[in-house]
Amino acid sequence: AQSVAQPEDQVNVAEGNPLTVKCTYSVSGNPYLFWYVQYPNRGLQFLLKYITGDNLVKGSYGFEAEFNKSQTSFHLKKPSALVSDSALYFCAVRDMGNNNDMRFGAGTRLTVKP
Amino acid sequence: KAGVTQTPRYLIKTRGQQVTLSCSPISGHRSVSWYQQTPGQGLQFLFEYFSETQRNKGNFPGRFSGRQFSNSRSEMNVSTLELGDSALYLCASNPGTGFYEQYFGPGTRLTVT
Repeated sequence: AQSVAQPEDQVNVAEGNPLTVKCTYSVSGNPYLFWYVQYPNRGLQFLLKYITGDNLVKGSYGFEAEFNKSQTSFHLKKPSALVSDSALYFCAVRDMGNNNDMRFGAGTRLTVKP
Repeated sequence: KAGVTQTPRYLIKTRGQQVTLSCSPISGHRSVSWYQQTPGQGLQFLFEYFSETQRNKGNFPGRFSGRQFSNSRSEMNVSTLELGDSALYLCASNPGTGFYEQYFGPGTRLTVT
């Protein structure tokens, strides 16, 4: 069965510093990997995805993520955090070898302090 | 294009009642998925419909059911409500193939008293 883990419930960074939100996955087939962001009282918004190709994926709002097959990781990164990046971030995986449904991690709350 | 819409946005029900939630996907999207979001359990997959057929199902009791209409609109029904069913129910749509991201609606906040 596929699964995705976000090992940190909370990440705190200072504005202007780089940020990393971690995600690891487990699938039986080829993974399709996604990052979403959720602001208070809102649905989830898509940030970026990895399907195939270049391991470094660039997405919305200056975010990027690096796919690492050997470490089964897909960490979200941003070179310089903004206070407005404070939100709940979800990693998701769709296992194309099994079921195809999208499974989400538990979420990581990112707080960027001025 | 208009985004995914969900109605109602807020709902208060009593234990034992049933409830129906509605989701209208983005025009042209044939896949609709439903998720339950709670503080303790995070985002849990309920089911996915594609062209009026249930394509995938999560690990929820039979009290949770859904359907999809020919215009891709979807409804989700929960019968015999329990206090633990209080959650944000999110609907998401995509064109229908796996490499597309999901587009989420704003959710329906269900409170069971």
